[in-house]
Amino acid sequence: EVQLVESGGGLVQPGRSLKLSCAASGFTFSNYGMAWVRQAPTKGLEWVATISYDGSSTYYRDSVKGRFTISRDNAKSTLYLQMDSLRSEDTATYYCARRKLRYFDYWGQGVMVTVSS
Amino acid sequence: EIVLTQSPTTMAASPGEKVTLTCRASSSVSYMHWYQQKSGASPKLWIYDTSNRASGVPNRFSGSGSGTSYSLTISSMETEDAATYYCQQWSSNPYTFGAGTKLELK
Repeated sequence: EVQLVESGGGLVQPGRSLKLSCAASGFTFSNYGMAWVRQAPTKGLEWVATISYDGSSTYYRDSVKGRFTISRDNAKSTLYLQMDSLRSEDTATYYCARRKLRYFDYWGQGVMVTVSS
Repeated sequence: EIVLTQSPTTMAASPGEKVTLTCRASSSVSYMHWYQQKSGASPKLWIYDTSNRASGVPNRFSGSGSGTSYSLTISSMETEDAATYYCQQWSSNPYTFGAGTKLELK
């Protein structure tokens, strides 16, 4: 059974940093691209970043470029999202998702990030 | 960036009623994908590559469309189908989602 379990969320002040983790199990992690998708409270889904199966390629939405870094450790079957210079508009539930090229076939339960002073 | 516009924003359907949700793209896309999200839960892949049901999705759900116009149809509404449905494309970066259609039970 595919499982994606996010952790690392919480309350953080504007301008500070936070690192999210996503522990994967039930599939060969190193064979799949992965992604982070977020959802602000009462809002829709918004793609944040994508990483290739081997970590060699990464893509970001414009609003997080230069502030967020997606990475992975295939030996640990873990995906990461380093978030720096956080803004109030980054407040959201962050989902880890397995990427099937054009779409996302499995999602984690999500982790809440609140950016507020 | 390709913008996806879903309609209606909200709708209510009675058990047994046929339901059609629409997603229009600002430019032509090759495929459309749909997700179901229930309140307090994470999204689930529902329809992929326009017309393929994800594992475990009842066959009363179907997807169709091409170019800039796509739809998700429920042939006969059931209680458990009440949820928000999002369309999503990746014909060109970035991945984009529609704003969602909230489907309620009448």
